[in-house]
Amino acid sequence: AQTVTQSQPEMSVQEAETVTLSCTYDTSESNYYLFWYKQPPSRQMILVIRQEAYKQQNATENRFSVNFQKAAKSFSLKISDSQLGDTAMYFCAFSYNNNDMRFGAGTRLTVKP
Amino acid sequence: DAGVIQSPRHEVTEMGQEVTLRCKPISGHDYLFWYRQTMMRGLELLIYFNNNVPIDDSGMPEDRFSAKMPNASFSTLKIQPSEPRDSAVYFCASSLRGRGANSPLHFGNGTRLTVT
Repeated sequence: AQTVTQSQPEMSVQEAETVTLSCTYDTSESNYYLFWYKQPPSRQMILVIRQEAYKQQNATENRFSVNFQKAAKSFSLKISDSQLGDTAMYFCAFSYNNNDMRFGAGTRLTVKP
Repeated sequence: DAGVIQSPRHEVTEMGQEVTLRCKPISGHDYLFWYRQTMMRGLELLIYFNNNVPIDDSGMPEDRFSAKMPNASFSTLKIQPSEPRDSAVYFCASSLRGRGANSPLHFGNGTRLTVT
């Protein structure tokens, strides 16, 4: 069974600084997909970034980038130039062949002014 | 694109009552998922449909829970009878698949259910 682990329940960062959120997963599959979702206080789940396991290049989306280490089964999210609007819960998620998506427990990020 | 639409946004009911949550997926999406989010258990997949057919309902906690998808644009999640431990946020999500490139889930805004 696939599992997703986020070992940091809470983190904080100063505005304009950089923060990295950790995620590890366990799977025996070789081809899968990884995601980071953001859940602000509004409750909506918003896709931040995605990574295909067969791609070696790390995905980037503006201020958001990932460090994908397939052998280590690690998928961390780096947020550069943190903004107050980045304050939210962040969920790491794993999907194998799109049958379903498994989520980590989440990391609550607070960006401080 | 209006996104995934869920209703109601909030639902407060008394124990023993029937609760129906509704979802309209994004037009053209062929997969629909129901998730439950609680502080204790995080996000749990309850059931998902492909082309209106239930594929995996192993996450449905009890027979009190049922889900239907009568057509491609509508799904319901029903709890009967409801219990206080069913209090949670219920999310509906949809995606488009089967084209090789993975499509992420698009979530609705969720329904916060409180059973007293």
